[in-house]
Amino acid sequence: EPEVTQTPSHQVTQMGQEVILRCVPISNHLYFYWYRQILGQKVEFLVSFYNNEISEKSEIFDDQFSVERPDGSNFTLKIRSTKLEDSAMYFCASTGNTEAFFGQGTRLTVV
Amino acid sequence: SQQGEEDPQALSIQEGENATMNCSYKTSINNLQWYRQNSGRGLVHLILIRSNEREKHSGRLRVTLDTSKKSSSLLITASRAADTASYFCATETGGFKTIFGAGTRLFVKA
Repeated sequence: EPEVTQTPSHQVTQMGQEVILRCVPISNHLYFYWYRQILGQKVEFLVSFYNNEISEKSEIFDDQFSVERPDGSNFTLKIRSTKLEDSAMYFCASTGNTEAFFGQGTRLTVV
Repeated sequence: SQQGEEDPQALSIQEGENATMNCSYKTSINNLQWYRQNSGRGLVHLILIRSNEREKHSGRLRVTLDTSKKSSSLLITASRAADTASYFCATETGGFKTIFGAGTRLFVKA
């Protein structure tokens, strides 16, 4: 069964550093998403991406964040100048025209 | 106000009992999905129900959708200790964006 894969599974970074979270969506999907889940809280929408551009973003997705589809298979989330409160699970998802398929997530710990 | 709200926030039952979780939402939807998440792990898609459907079954899972009341329920029958997890409803509105509720923490005691 096709799946969304995310790397790394766990990333530890120092406050102020930049991190790039990577995702390989399902190959024939057209819509891509990033979500965030702070420990013990709900899954929050960050951004959706379609046709090589952001289609929608939440209030959380400020100038600290950016997304990119650098090639035909990868979809990345870059977080600049990380803060302690950026510590969370970050989920990538993709969809064709049915349900969204989620990756297993990257646990980001900012120290 | 939230798009998806689960009720109850936490549920503790004995193995073998049925577990019912409810979800309410506020805006029109294209579909509603239920996900499961074990502590600190990824999201597992359980079932999707479209706005023109009223009920769906998958194994021990039964999902209902009442668009007039903007609510859905997830029933897990004959629960097992392995069903212990958080369960989220998620609604898809326009633009294929999925919005999650806060989740119900289910604890099944062996």
